[in-house]
Amino acid sequence: GNSVTQMEGPVTLSEEAFLTINCTYTATGYPSLFWYVQYPGEGLQLLLKATKADDKGSNKGFEATYRKETTSFHLEKGSVQVSDSAVYFCALSTGSQGNLIFGKGTKLSVKP
Amino acid sequence: DSGVTQTPKHLITATGQRVTLRCSPRSGDLSVYWYQQSLDQGLQFLIQYYNGEERAKGNILERFSAQQFPDLHSELNLSSLELGDSALYFCASSVDPRDGGFRNTIYFGEGSWLTVV
Repeated sequence: GNSVTQMEGPVTLSEEAFLTINCTYTATGYPSLFWYVQYPGEGLQLLLKATKADDKGSNKGFEATYRKETTSFHLEKGSVQVSDSAVYFCALSTGSQGNLIFGKGTKLSVKP
Repeated sequence: DSGVTQTPKHLITATGQRVTLRCSPRSGDLSVYWYQQSLDQGLQFLIQYYNGEERAKGNILERFSAQQFPDLHSELNLSSLELGDSALYFCASSVDPRDGGFRNTIYFGEGSWLTVV
């Protein structure tokens, strides 16, 4: 079946450090891929998405490239800020229904 | 603000009871999804409705049911509640999921915190 695997957290970084959160997927067909973010006490917000191979999604300094050959969609940011502290979820969607299948989430803490 | 509205934000109830969670989708969105977020299970897809009809079913217990009304708002009914049902329940919405709907963005509400004591 379809599934998403993302790196276990928590991840703790210092401000201005480089961030990578790994995400790989298993899916039939060609899914769309998403990163959602959940700030403390809030709901899920879409961070970025990519709908076909080699697409790069980007937003707020974050980016991720849809790699079909490695079935990956790793999230990166060149310089994290304290305000980026949150839980990040990788997700995929496939088929006509469009519902999302999520990874377990990676908690990021950024220290000043 | 995603435009998806959920009520109530917090709810505490006793085991064996029944509760109803309510969701208003974004204006123009025909599809509504329900998800459960718990510490041990993560984010689990429960059920999806499109324009009043059930479209897809995930890991939804038989004690749980949902519906989408003609005005497109949706309700999730949870009955015979158990301690393990304590979780954050999200409603989400998107535009027409047909014809490439899996490329559409799904917008989430802020969730309803359910605590069963």
